[in-house]
Amino acid sequence: DTGVSQNPRHKITKRGQNVTFRCDPISEHNRLYWYRQTLGQGPEFLTYFQNEAQLEKSRLLSDRFSAERPKGSFSTLEIQRTEQGDSAMYLCASSPTSATSYEQYFGPGTRLTVT
Amino acid sequence: GDSVTQMEGPVTLSEEAFLTINCTYTATGYPSLFWYVQYPGEGLQLLLKATKADDKGSNKGFEATYRKETTSFHLEKGSVQVSDSAVYFCALSAYGGAQKLVFGQGTRLTINP
Repeated sequence: DTGVSQNPRHKITKRGQNVTFRCDPISEHNRLYWYRQTLGQGPEFLTYFQNEAQLEKSRLLSDRFSAERPKGSFSTLEIQRTEQGDSAMYLCASSPTSATSYEQYFGPGTRLTVT
Repeated sequence: GDSVTQMEGPVTLSEEAFLTINCTYTATGYPSLFWYVQYPGEGLQLLLKATKADDKGSNKGFEATYRKETTSFHLEKGSVQVSDSAVYFCALSAYGGAQKLVFGQGTRLTINP
């Protein structure tokens, strides 16, 4: 299967700890997106990369959040000093440059629980 | 800013019933419009899309027409099946932007046999 993969699928952490999530996009997709989804809501955009360049960050992405895509392939999302309000599903998506209609393919998500 | 509003759920129907899930949007420019579906325990999947006014997207018996005059993209299916039970999300991607998706809050659909 060559879909978008995310690891880990579940993460439970204590408040104040740091966590890091990984996303592997579909190969040759040079656009990569991170979203956050809380229970009963639609996904909310966090940030977006084209190759290794981070082109846009949402105001939702506080200073405690940082994302990287160092070689233009996989990406990591780190949350420092986690808070209970960070508990959510973190979704990654990728799309190819040639997509004129911006079709994004989503991974299964990483569910974060902060206790 | 751009936004999407969906009809609130949950929606419960009997098998073979007609389905409509309303979606309206607010956006500058000419957005592309999407319906995504999330089946239980699975990730978001693109169901259908439309990129310009009056386009009709269709897939798996579902249809939605891009109506610029009413800023709407309602999802319809003539005869639903139990397997259609899922959460449905309407979304837009702004023209000329970073192509980020702006989602509605989702509508949970349950089909009873």
